[in-house]
Amino acid sequence: GESVGLHLPTLSVQEGDNSIINCAYSNSASDYFIWYKQESGKGPQFIIDIRSNMDKRQGQRVTVLLNKTVKHLSLQIAATQPGDSAVYFCAEWARGDYKLSFGAGTTVTVRA
Amino acid sequence: ETGVTQTPRHLVMGMTNKKSLKCEQHLGHNAMYWYKQSAKKPLELMFVYSLEERVENNSVPSRFSPECPNSSHLFLHLHTLQPEDSALYLCASSQELAHLTDTQYFGPGTRLTVL
Repeated sequence: GESVGLHLPTLSVQEGDNSIINCAYSNSASDYFIWYKQESGKGPQFIIDIRSNMDKRQGQRVTVLLNKTVKHLSLQIAATQPGDSAVYFCAEWARGDYKLSFGAGTTVTVRA
Repeated sequence: ETGVTQTPRHLVMGMTNKKSLKCEQHLGHNAMYWYKQSAKKPLELMFVYSLEERVENNSVPSRFSPECPNSSHLFLHLHTLQPEDSALYLCASSQELAHLTDTQYFGPGTRLTVL
């Protein structure tokens, strides 16, 4: 089965609010995690990554949190904008492997 | 843009046709990938190439045939496809294979419809 998954397939957010997208993983050997954003008609685009030796990393308007105890990853988007409407994927990479494992994605819709 | 281009962007083909998808990366990367993206399913890794050598064929039917003539180009040759092969086919590249924090960069994909 999937080693990476997202809790909710869809998320509707009011413009200006903060968004939280969750992801659970099952491989405790995973070393590296990435969040991708895929807009309609485009390929996945890298947003932010985090290594397993960290529990938080911040980017521009985005924060990724990693809880290795419960194997949980989240992406927080501050002040969500209409351009944030997309499908968001988490992906994991385990040391000794050479490929990423992807979750099914969460579709985020921003309401005006 | 990510530096990875794919052509064509859309393709409609019959089950008896032969067509090819093309991917080109302008990033100087050594690893390239083909993924299949179907509705409501995770990205499925199909093929992986490192320095023009195939590293993995992830149990993909033989009606899909990859080709990597150099580290910048990757093809996916299609023949006698089935309607269930209709999907978005994504190409990606990364600097190296199996390197921690080596981000994969994706192309825009080819939307394939098999009639």
